[in-house]
Amino acid sequence: DIQMTQSPSSLSASLGDRVTITCRASQSITRTLSWFQQKPGKAPKLLIYAASSLQSGVPSRFSGSGSGTDFTLTISSLQPEDFATYYCQQSYNTPYTFGQGTKLEIK
Amino acid sequence: EVQLVQSGAEVKKPGESLKISCKGSGYSFTSFWIGWVRQMPGKGLEWMGIIYPGDSDTRYSPSFQGQVTISADKSISTAYLQWSSLKASDTAMYYCARRDNDWYSSDYWGQGTLVTVSS
Repeated sequence: DIQMTQSPSSLSASLGDRVTITCRASQSITRTLSWFQQKPGKAPKLLIYAASSLQSGVPSRFSGSGSGTDFTLTISSLQPEDFATYYCQQSYNTPYTFGQGTKLEIK
Repeated sequence: EVQLVQSGAEVKKPGESLKISCKGSGYSFTSFWIGWVRQMPGKGLEWMGIIYPGDSDTRYSPSFQGQVTISADKSISTAYLQWSSLKASDTAMYYCARRDNDWYSSDYWGQGTLVTVSS
């Protein structure tokens, strides 16, 4: 199985901050990497697919980059609704493994 | 509008069987893979497996192989996740999600089905 390692596991930030979350794959996954946002009691929501493509309807303050084994999700200016847990997922090979998640909290 | 609607919450006893469902609408159900994801209380997302309703081709995570069965009935645009003998450790929220055909991302998700297994 491909292992996905996210860092940090938790992060405190303030409104308006720029934050970056990283995800590392245990082998090359080319660009088959997605990022999801999950709020308590809700289903995950797709933010970024193909490592850097913004899903329709997602605000442009979200961006993704990377290829191969190293990927980042950046939120350019935190808004109140962005405080949530974020997950990466590879879809290069089954099982389509997730990272362990990054909980973004208000400082 | 693409929608995945899952069946309601379940409370079961250890050893009982269970089948939960995920009904797709607003797209060609037989043309997209549907996956299942587990989230145990307070924990992260775990990919369980995936099915192609067009021909019922199914892939499982090794962690879930033999523990659950994924199936689909294309005549009613519904995918299923079933257990033959539940354990307390199966208590979790279960999500279905559609896999897109270009980059294999999970682009649409069901609302989740909470399964509680308790004696």
